[in-house]
Amino acid sequence: DQQVKQNSPSLSVQEGRISILNCDYTNSMFDYFLWYKKYPAEGPTFLISISSIKDKNEDGRFTVFLNKSAKHLSLHIVPSQPGDSAVYFCAAILAGRRALTFGSGTRLQVQP
Amino acid sequence: DTAVSQTPKYLVTQMGNDKSIKCEQNLGHDTMYWYKQDSKKFLKIMFSYNNKELIINETVPNRFSPKSPDKAHLNLHINSLELGDSAVYFCASSPGPTNTGELFFGEGSRLTVL
Repeated sequence: DQQVKQNSPSLSVQEGRISILNCDYTNSMFDYFLWYKKYPAEGPTFLISISSIKDKNEDGRFTVFLNKSAKHLSLHIVPSQPGDSAVYFCAAILAGRRALTFGSGTRLQVQP
Repeated sequence: DTAVSQTPKYLVTQMGNDKSIKCEQNLGHDTMYWYKQDSKKFLKIMFSYNNKELIINETVPNRFSPKSPDKAHLNLHINSLELGDSAVYFCASSPGPTNTGELFFGEGSRLTVL
């Protein structure tokens, strides 16, 4: 039973436009939600996170929105750049468990 | 200098063999992890050590045995390899046992069992 789901395996957007990556979860007890970015042949790198008590966190071009009632979070990238092309993993953590639960990833391709 | 380094990056071996993957971090972190990325691309926690002590041990076959000689190293030994062990194995570290989920990952080790 996958507790974190990314239902879109891929997304293609034009450079300069907004990229919206979506993630759904089933466990309402998660304390933090995170996005990791992964380039080919590299490990995932932490991008941005949000506490379960907040609904928005912004860091430069990246904003994460959390809708707890819908058990849904999204990552907005504005404006998208070709260097943003990568696989984006949504993840969540229960503070006491100390281990991340990952989604299956969404491959973002930003077209020049 | 790579912060979290794994060796080997690629490993091809026959069923039934025993193999090890090594991981080292130079970040001064106390906690290290092994995650497995399966064929469906999910990354799943296998083990975590904090300062050489096992703190997470998920339901994995006991053919998998982690070893932490010191807090900068966490190695993964796999006995009697099976086809289903084929995956990418990622090592990661964090300053301490994480509550917020920010980990530093290695580049991964792709294991192929024939």
